[in-house]
Amino acid sequence: DTGVSQDPRHKITKRGQNVTFRCDPISEHNRLYWYRQTLGQGPEFLTYFQNEAQLEKSRLLSDRFSAERPKGSFSTLEIQRTEQGDSAMYLCASSLGTSDYNEQFFGPGTRLTVL
Amino acid sequence: AQSVTQLDSQVPVFEEAPVELRCNYSSSVSVYLFWYVQYPNQGLQLLLKYLSGSTLVKGINGFEAEFNKSQTSFHLRKPSVHISDTAEYFCAVGIQGAQKLVFGQGTRLTINP
Repeated sequence: DTGVSQDPRHKITKRGQNVTFRCDPISEHNRLYWYRQTLGQGPEFLTYFQNEAQLEKSRLLSDRFSAERPKGSFSTLEIQRTEQGDSAMYLCASSLGTSDYNEQFFGPGTRLTVL
Repeated sequence: AQSVTQLDSQVPVFEEAPVELRCNYSSSVSVYLFWYVQYPNQGLQLLLKYLSGSTLVKGINGFEAEFNKSQTSFHLRKPSVHISDTAEYFCAVGIQGAQKLVFGQGTRLTINP
């Protein structure tokens, strides 16, 4: 079963360090999403790609955050100069966008802890 | 802007009892509605969805939900729960022309034997 995969599953870092997460979507899915989930809350939308184009970014995505999807396949999310408030679960989802609605399939997430 | 409110943060029930998890939404345009389940240390799995048509939708694992436009609600129900239903449940809305989902805060369902 080749679902959405994310790497690493867990990351512990010190404040001020840079971190990068990777998401591999379901093959043939052209849309890819990043969400952030803090403890006790539902996921919050961060950004969305259609193929390699980043089409929407949330105001939550400060200038310390950058996401790429260089060849329209896997995506990376980088956080520079991490802060303790960045501690969260980062979820990736993908969908096959052929219509207005398309089901989003979620990966297991990367749990970030900033010390 | 859209918003979702899940009225209960935690719901404890006994095994084989019925359960209802409540969800209300706010939107000025037509919405799509979803319920996702999240088991410990896992991603979100789609339980069911409402796109259009019949207001009663059936999903996996015996769950169903009813869309009530006048009350802007989409409550999730199961007539008889099992220990394996212990998880976090999230209600979410999407709108036409936008790709993001807006999630509620989640309801933790705990099944007691």
